[in-house]
Parts: sequence; structure tokens; C-alpha cells
Amino acid sequence: GQQLNQSPQSMFIQEGEDVSMNCTSSSIFNTWLWYKQDPGEGPVLLIALYKAGELTSNGRLTAQFGITRKDSFLNISASIPSDVGIYFCAGQDLSSYKLIFGSGTRLLVRP
Amino acid sequence: GAVVSQHPSRVICKSGTSVKIECRSLDFQATTMFWYRQFPKQSLMLMATSNEGSKATYEQGVEKDKFLINHASLTLSTLTVTSAHPEDSSFYICSARDQTSTDTQYFGPGTRLTVL
Repeated sequence: GQQLNQSPQSMFIQEGEDVSMNCTSSSIFNTWLWYKQDPGEGPVLLIALYKAGELTSNGRLTAQFGITRKDSFLNISASIPSDVGIYFCAGQDLSSYKLIFGSGTRLLVRP
Repeated sequence: GAVVSQHPSRVICKSGTSVKIECRSLDFQATTMFWYRQFPKQSLMLMATSNEGSKATYEQGVEKDKFLINHASLTLSTLTVTSAHPEDSSFYICSARDQTSTDTQYFGPGTRLTVL
């Protein structure tokens, strides 16, 4: 079945540092999504990518849809304490619109 | 972004009882909703796809008689955990597919189920 490999599993960084995380897949997706989840909450959509090679920004966040449609990365610049949480990538299946989630990256930011 | 609500946010029940969780899309219509389950420190696992006006489709290994799904309107899907047992304790999250130009899924805030 389809699988997404997300790395790193966790990151503990100093406030102000930049962060990068990525996902790779064995399958092609037509849409890549990045979500953030806070404890006890549902995931919140950060960025959606619809075209191969697309680079999209949302404030301090930047994400790119790989040209092969099998990978994506998310960058967070100048991290702040409220960036703490778990970040998930998700690929959307071409026909069923089901989301396949990565295993998540837990981000901790030291003030 | 679009708003999806879930009710209740948390529920504690005795073993053997049934629990109903509601998922509503508040500002858009959703012909398709999805139900996920998340265990502590793990990713979201898709349980089933809820289709308005038709039967839900379940992922492999998910018991359809255990997890009853009803999608009676374009803004409401319900998940009923029947004869709940402690191993059903988990965080249940729904999402609704917004089929406008972006065709994006928006998630509810989740329901924490604890079965004693």
C-alpha cells in the first residue's frame, strides 16, 4: 500500500532558527498537504500544493511539491515558541481523495 | 479556511455502551467526509469514507458493524462506536472535503473517547 516517509521524527531547536522537514512517497500524489496538530486538537491545514514543482509560501512557512510528485518539503523560517507541535505531510490519492499521512515531525522550540 | 465541528469533544463511557460522534461542516457542503483514528504519539489512520446518501466505505481491518457511519445530509456525518470496549479508547477525528476550487479537506477538532 501507499506509504509516506516523513523525516525527521523530531526536532528540538533554538528560537529564531530555521527548520526543514520532508516527506517522500513510493506513489505519485496529485496534491500534497502540510498540517500542524497541537495536543488534543485536530490537524490544521498550513499549505496545500497542487502542481508538481510548485513552491508556495504562507507567512514564515514555505513548501514545495516535488517535480516527480513523490516528495515535498516544508520550511519554517525564524521559528518562534508557538511553532511547537506536530507537523504532518499528507498525500491525496488521485481517485479516492483519501489522505495518506506521514508519521509526523514533532517540533520543540527552546525560547 | 472552512470550519468543521465535532461533538462531543470528549466522552467517557462504560464498556458495552454505544457512543455517537457527530461531524459537521459549518460553512460548506460536503458530499464526502472521512473518519480517522489516532493513538497517542501516532499518525492519523483512516478508518472509513463517509458518502452522503450512500453507504460508507471502510478501510481494510476496520469493522463496519463496530463503527457505524451515517451521512444523512450534506453537512453532517455521524460515527457510532457500538458496544465499546477499552481498546476502542482513542482520539477520533473527522474531515470534510470542500469540493470548491481548492478541493481541500478540513479537519474537525477531534473527539477523545475513553471507555472504562
